[in-house]
Amino acid sequence: DIVMAQSPLSLPVTPGEPASISCRSSQSLLRSDGYIALDWYLQKPGQPPQLLMYLGSNRASGVPDRFSGSGSGTDFTLKISRVEAEDVGVYYCMQLIQTPLTFGGGTKVEIK
Amino acid sequence: QVQLQQSGPGLVKPSQTLSLTCAISGDSVSSNTAAWNWLRQSPSGGLEWLGRTYYRSEWYNDYAVSLKGRITINPDTSKNQFSLLLNSVTPEDAAVYYCARDRLGMGYWGQGTPVTVSS
Repeated sequence: DIVMAQSPLSLPVTPGEPASISCRSSQSLLRSDGYIALDWYLQKPGQPPQLLMYLGSNRASGVPDRFSGSGSGTDFTLKISRVEAEDVGVYYCMQLIQTPLTFGGGTKVEIK
Repeated sequence: QVQLQQSGPGLVKPSQTLSLTCAISGDSVSSNTAAWNWLRQSPSGGLEWLGRTYYRSEWYNDYAVSLKGRITINPDTSKNQFSLLLNSVTPEDAAVYYCARDRLGMGYWGQGTPVTVSS
């Protein structure tokens, strides 16, 4: 199975400041078609996860443009250009290049 | 608008079978561009993918090997839904179970079903 490692575990943030979450995979997530097989999700308390980014760098419908995804091969980053209070929750990366699909352990973002 | 509505018991006895259903509206379980997934989230918070079913001129299923043949995911085209069967459950199977549609990301999820395994 592909192991997904996220860091940090916890991320206190100041509204208006940038934030960055790292995700590393044990194998390359580069598909033969050039796309990155990585999605990002945000889970708020009491809710199912919600899709933020798909195929590495594509924002899902309705996701603000302060969110961006980047990376290649085995190292990936989710960036928030200016954190807002509504961005708190647990962020997960997920690989989908092979089954079983696997998730990172999560990064909890909270307001300082 | 796609909606996924989960149903099924929240309490299962050890060694028995967990059965959940995910009813789809706004899309078709027979879609050629979507995959229909089951996932769960343990009390500690970790997300685990269990398996999926999808149609690409014929039906396919993928399952987590860790479930060791205990899992079956079935599409039901007559009711436009798909189901999860997990047999021989143990307390380690207690979790919140989710269904989700994967079409360029899992953009639609069911509401979640908390499952307790207890006699």
